[in-house]
Amino acid sequence: ETGVTQSPTHLIKTRGQQVTLRCSSQSGHNTVSWYQQALGQGPQFIFQYYREEENGRGNFPPRFSGLQFPNYSSELNVNALELDDSALYLCASSLPRSPSGKDTQYFGPGTRLTVL
Amino acid sequence: DAKTTQPPSMDCAEGRAANLPCNHSTISGNEYVYWYRQIHSQGPQYIIHGLKNNETNEMASLIITEDRKSSTLILPHATLRDTAVYYCIAHTQGGSEKLVFGKGTKLTVNP
Repeated sequence: ETGVTQSPTHLIKTRGQQVTLRCSSQSGHNTVSWYQQALGQGPQFIFQYYREEENGRGNFPPRFSGLQFPNYSSELNVNALELDDSALYLCASSLPRSPSGKDTQYFGPGTRLTVL
Repeated sequence: DAKTTQPPSMDCAEGRAANLPCNHSTISGNEYVYWYRQIHSQGPQYIIHGLKNNETNEMASLIITEDRKSSTLILPHATLRDTAVYYCIAHTQGGSEKLVFGKGTKLTVNP
């Protein structure tokens, strides 16, 4: 069973640019959630994708968008980068609504984004 | 999801039990108590979760009070590798998948 993977591990962009972060979910998981973690803070929920549809969104502007693919992998896109977007971006996969009711989220290692 | 309250930091001697408290006085009947930890700059690692019964796995034990207003995560024999930020989260299974993280407890295990 493979765990959650994310790429790239580190990324440096300049203000105004666009970025795409990628996440491969754990084997068998059909749901991916994305979180942003600023330095010294807990992770903050951005949005979740379930079966290729957005299924809940946190308090983030529309320039944060995402996709989920048929193999359940996911992308997070951020347009018009701002300095405050510098953070660790985490994705987590889960299998909600499973017969066992177990929908624990398992996190990837994260992508460290620095905006200059 | 209910808000949780944790002490900002704790210390523990290596080899001793680490007992991390969490208050969740507004927890609702269908919310589980989840614990994650995050070692510096890594992704959060799932530890354990429970509803009302005490739970134990290979990593830790979770003790939930009878009124469910508080819980304690127990690491029975802390090692230096257990130094991390520990997050207690009240979460409804099967509903919104959003996990609401607070600032957690920074546990430092000392040699």
